[in-house]
Amino acid sequence: TQLLEQSPQFLSIQEGENLTVYCNSSSVFSSLQWYRQEPGEGPVLLVTVVTGGEVKKLKRLTFQFGDARKDSSLHITAAQPGDTGLYLCAGANNYGQNFVFGPGTRLSVLP
Amino acid sequence: GAGVSQSPRYKVAKRGQDVALRCDPISGHVSLFWYQQALGQGPEFLTYFQNEAQLDKSGLPSDRFFAERPEGSVSTLKIQRTQQEDSAVYLCASSLEGRGRDEQFFGPGTRLTVL
Repeated sequence: TQLLEQSPQFLSIQEGENLTVYCNSSSVFSSLQWYRQEPGEGPVLLVTVVTGGEVKKLKRLTFQFGDARKDSSLHITAAQPGDTGLYLCAGANNYGQNFVFGPGTRLSVLP
Repeated sequence: GAGVSQSPRYKVAKRGQDVALRCDPISGHVSLFWYQQALGQGPEFLTYFQNEAQLDKSGLPSDRFFAERPEGSVSTLKIQRTQQEDSAVYLCASSLEGRGRDEQFFGPGTRLTVL
């Protein structure tokens, strides 16, 4: 069974601070996705990483996929209240028939 | 809009009742996924369709759960003889082809409360 762990579980920071959240597994994934979910809504895709060691930047968000494709991190620079939400990582096998989600990191950015 | 829609948005059922949850995926999307999300947790995979074929139902928690997608578009998740532990948000997602790197587009979910 492929399992994903995320840390920290909760994070509350002030506007303007930087933060990093982590997604770890003992299993190898062919690709890994990061989603953000707001209350009452479904998750929305932020990024997909597929190559070990890959780094992707999306404005103030930087995503990294570990060399062994077992872990990933999300770094947010100068967090804003609009970044508040549940950040989920999800790993897929080669055929995409079974996505495994982590439990999420709940981020709160205070103005 | 042209996103994934789910109905009903909220469902309250008495223990033992049967419920049916509907998902309308994005038109043309081949793959459809159902997930169960308990309060404060990430989504847990239930089942996966490619067109009308149910290719993976390994996540369905018991034989009380049944999903279908008879014409390869709309899908229904049915739960028979609901139990309190079935209370959760049920999310549906669709993707264009279903490969691991394809983006999944999620609906808003159906919040099921079993009393």
